[in-house]
Amino acid sequence: DVKVTQSSRYLVKRTGEKVFLECVQDMDHENMFWYRQDPGLGLRLIYFSYDVKMKEKGDIPEGYSVSREKKERFSLILESASTNQTSMYLCASSFPRVGGYTFGSGTRLTVV
Amino acid sequence: QQQVKQSPQSLIVQKGGISIINCAYENTAFDYFPWYQQFPGKGPALLIAIRPDVSEKKEGRFTISFNKSAKQFSLHIMDSQPGDSATYFCAARGDSSYKLIFGSGTRLLVRP
Repeated sequence: DVKVTQSSRYLVKRTGEKVFLECVQDMDHENMFWYRQDPGLGLRLIYFSYDVKMKEKGDIPEGYSVSREKKERFSLILESASTNQTSMYLCASSFPRVGGYTFGSGTRLTVV
Repeated sequence: QQQVKQSPQSLIVQKGGISIINCAYENTAFDYFPWYQQFPGKGPALLIAIRPDVSEKKEGRFTISFNKSAKQFSLHIMDSQPGDSATYFCAARGDSSYKLIFGSGTRLLVRP
């Protein structure tokens, strides 16, 4: 069974902390994505990567950065966590231009 | 031109009824239209998808209807069941794009 695995289901962090969210996929997908999901706002794209070490900004990249050193792993970094970054974070992966995404189960991040 | 507009925001249906969720798009370059189903605490999962060369696709109780001239597509859930209660997202992608553009989501509640 193909999988996208997010390292944490729930995280609580303090304002100003540097936060790492990890995502691993076992499908040999080239593309990987980070979304955040908030009530009433749907899924908003933060960053995506179409190859190792390649990344592009999505719709809401401010306050975030990403790292993709290996094909199967895509990390989202909150440089200095703020309370407005409290959200559900979803990682997804796909082949280029073929089919849909496979999503992970999400990480619910609370910044206090 | 990149938006996908989804309605309604929420929907309540009696068991055995038909649930209908609608999406509209502007970009005529879109050529792949998936629907995702998301249960609470889980990531979205691909439910069914269609390409614009067909007007309808059916998988079990789930049907996508596609109207290319009107730039609209809809999800019909026949014989709706309480287990169908979830949030549904439509999406679209162009053939030259890595990214899916998501609708804002519809929260479906099927009453017993």
